[in-house]
Amino acid sequence: GNSVTQMEGPVTLSEEAFLTINCTYTATGYPSLFWYVQYPGEGLQLLLKATKADDKGSNKGFEATYRKETTSFHLEKGSVQVSDSAVYFCALSDYTGNQFYFGTGTSLTVIP
Amino acid sequence: NAGVTQTPKFQVLKTGQSMTLQCAQDMNHNSMYWYRQDPGMGLRLIYYSASEGTTDKGEVPNGYNVSRLNKREFSLRLESAAPSQTSVCFCASRREQTNSPLHFGNGTRLTVT
Repeated sequence: GNSVTQMEGPVTLSEEAFLTINCTYTATGYPSLFWYVQYPGEGLQLLLKATKADDKGSNKGFEATYRKETTSFHLEKGSVQVSDSAVYFCALSDYTGNQFYFGTGTSLTVIP
Repeated sequence: NAGVTQTPKFQVLKTGQSMTLQCAQDMNHNSMYWYRQDPGMGLRLIYYSASEGTTDKGEVPNGYNVSRLNKREFSLRLESAAPSQTSVCFCASRREQTNSPLHFGNGTRLTVT
């Protein structure tokens, strides 16, 4: 079946530190992969996506590369800011595009 | 551009009470979804509607019903609320195109006592 596993949090970093949040997946067929971000009291917002192997999604300084050989889609940012404090969710959509599967979320706090 | 709008934002119910959560989207999306979010468990699909006139169960449908009223609106009903339904409920929509992402509303924080 389809599933997503992401690193447990919470993660606390100092401003300008390097961020990695690990995400691995299990899927049949060729899924699309997504990272969503949730700020306090809000819904999930799409951060970036990749739709095929070796694609790199990027947005707002965040990047993730679709690695089919390791079934991974790790989120990275070179220099985090206090405003990046949020919960980050890795997700996949199955080959039909209708069903989405989410990881449990990783809470990030960036301190000045 | 409102996107996905959910009402209410907060709701407190007593066990056994019923209520309906409303969701509307103005992006002309065919597919709409209801998810629940519980601490440490990510998002789990309650029901979805691939198009107007169709609905399907997700991972956790028990205790819920849905209505796809028209292309814009997708409501979620709790017929007899239970404490296990305490969660944040999110409505989402997406275009029918493969690889299209979900667009989420801001959620309804539901507490059942």
